[in-house]
Amino acid sequence: EPEVTQTPSHQVTQMGQEVILRCVPISNHLYFYWYRQILGQKVEFLVSFYNNEISEKSEIFDDQFSVERPDGSNFTLKIRSTKLEDSAMYFCASSERDRIAYNEQFFGPGTRLTVL
Amino acid sequence: GQQVMQIPQYQHVQEGEDFTTYCNSSTTLSNIQWYKQRPGGHPVFLIQLVKSGEVKKQKRLTFQFGEAKKNSSLHITATQTTDVGTYFCAGPAGGSQGNLIFGKGTKLSVKP
Repeated sequence: EPEVTQTPSHQVTQMGQEVILRCVPISNHLYFYWYRQILGQKVEFLVSFYNNEISEKSEIFDDQFSVERPDGSNFTLKIRSTKLEDSAMYFCASSERDRIAYNEQFFGPGTRLTVL
Repeated sequence: GQQVMQIPQYQHVQEGEDFTTYCNSSTTLSNIQWYKQRPGGHPVFLIQLVKSGEVKKQKRLTFQFGEAKKNSSLHITATQTTDVGTYFCAGPAGGSQGNLIFGKGTKLSVKP
């Protein structure tokens, strides 16, 4: 069964450093998302991406964040200058969305980001 | 802003007991989705409800979408230890292209 993959599974970084989290969405999906989940809390939407551009972004997704689809398969989230409060699990998700209804989102296993 | 609320936050049951989690949205939803997250895992899609008053069943799980499309529930009959995890409801943000607003989840623990 096709699945979303993410690398690395765990990233430890120093405050102020840049990190890039990588995702490979399911190949025939059209919509891509990044969510984060601070330990023990709910899943929070960061950004959605369609047709090679950002569709929507949340208040969390400030100028320190950027996303890119550098080739036909990868989807990346970059945090330019990490802060302690960026420590969280970051989930990538993808969906095959039609015009009529929202379709299920398939989540990757996540990258645990720890900022020291 | 739009909010999705879930209760209870935690539920501890004896194996074989039933379990219900409730979800309420501050706005009318076009659809609602339910996800399960096992400890240490990632959210896994369970179901999507679209129609007002819709009821769907998956084996021991029964999902309902309210008539006003602002609330939903998930009921598990005769819980098993494999049901352990956190159950999240999620609805699309108003006018969005699909980004989901998640509830805080109900963490279910099942005592054998």
